[in-house]
Amino acid sequence: EVQLVESGGDLVQPGGSLGLSCAGSGFTFSSYAMSWVRQAPGKGLEWVSSITGSGAITYYADSVKGRFTSSRDNSKNRLYLQMNSLRAEDTAIYYCARFPTSIHTFDLWGQGTMVTVSS
Amino acid sequence: EIVLTQSPGTLSLSPGERATLSCRASQTVGNSFLAWYQQKPGQAPRLLIYGASTRATGIPDRFSGSGSGTDFTLTINRLEPEDFAVYYCQQCGSSPWTFGQGTKVGIK
Repeated sequence: EVQLVESGGDLVQPGGSLGLSCAGSGFTFSSYAMSWVRQAPGKGLEWVSSITGSGAITYYADSVKGRFTSSRDNSKNRLYLQMNSLRAEDTAIYYCARFPTSIHTFDLWGQGTMVTVSS
Repeated sequence: EIVLTQSPGTLSLSPGERATLSCRASQTVGNSFLAWYQQKPGQAPRLLIYGASTRATGIPDRFSGSGSGTDFTLTINRLEPEDFAVYYCQQCGSSPWTFGQGTKVGIK
């Protein structure tokens, strides 16, 4: 089955760090760019970060640049998001999504993992 | 940054009716890289339309997308009970990728 499964969401204090993981299966993981998209409670969707299939190039939204780092391990079919200096406004469900450059959109989404930043 | 404005914010319709959702961009969306997603409560978004008008795999033909440049439309013909949800447009023509604020299609 073609799917993405996120993990790692948790409650963390402001200023803290957290790492998320996304496992891909059922497709050739290394052939696809991947992204993180988040959704604050009751709010809309916000693109966070993207990474090329090789992992050589990463892109970030201004709201997380310098604090979040995307990486991937294609041998394990895994995508990662390291989040540092977390703020209350980072509280959200974090989705990983597949981004085929052929159609230039997010065609497959995971179920999401919840990150809560609160003291 | 391209700002996407969706209208209306909420649409109240009955099953069998047609829904027309609008998405207006603050700048031209390059290569018509405009997509539409459906999201139901507690679920991840699902891709419906990409490239402004191409249905994603498995999407029923009652869903159609149109438009170019700065004005795009999602039309849902003959609403089914499972179509009542929130719909988002999203552009990948210019970084940063951005989403509209969503249109909720509710049951009248």
